[in-house]
Amino acid sequence: DAKTTQPNSMESNEEEPVHLPCNHSTISGTDYIHWYRQLPSQGPEYVIHGLTSNVNNRMASLAIAEDRKSSTLILHRATLRDAAVYYCILNDRNQFYFGTGTSLTVIP
Amino acid sequence: EAEVAQSPRYKITEKSQAVAFWCDPISGHATLYWYRQILGQGPELLVQFQDESVVDDSQLPKDRFSAERLKGVDSTLKIQPAELGDSAMYLCASSITTGATSYEQYFGPGTRLTVT
Repeated sequence: DAKTTQPNSMESNEEEPVHLPCNHSTISGTDYIHWYRQLPSQGPEYVIHGLTSNVNNRMASLAIAEDRKSSTLILHRATLRDAAVYYCILNDRNQFYFGTGTSLTVIP
Repeated sequence: EAEVAQSPRYKITEKSQAVAFWCDPISGHATLYWYRQILGQGPELLVQFQDESVVDDSQLPKDRFSAERLKGVDSTLKIQPAELGDSAMYLCASSITTGATSYEQYFGPGTRLTVT
């Protein structure tokens, strides 16, 4: 299984940027880095994914280290609706291996 | 916006009974996944279909679990007999396809199973 390491929990103040780190030192050259988030009692929701270059979309930005052994999900301005568990996943043959993720608390 | 549909949303069953979950993926999505999520943990892949064929069922407890996607569209996951340890959220997801590139998965709302 492709493994990732994330902090168990993080806190952020509302309207401030949030940087969620992920380590994936065993990443292979063809693994994509995906981020999903899960609100309580809901299914996971796609956030963003990338291979080598940094990526931006309406939800977030993904910064990928040059050696690809780590990445950071950036929420530019946290809102209370961003409070969720965030999963960093390596996509191996389109199979997804979820860890326990980072539980993000947003403080009003 | 198209969504993955699952039913039922909640199911309570007694130990040793049979239970079935249904999933209807987003139209046109060739790949369908079933996950199990135990409280406090991330989802664990049980089975992956490409059209009507099973791509990966290595984590499916085949002595009691079965999954089918007969016409390559909707899918059913069955447990028989249910055990107390099967209490979990069962999630269905779909994606356009598998292959050389990578596509996002779209998840349904899940079925919360409680075995008593």
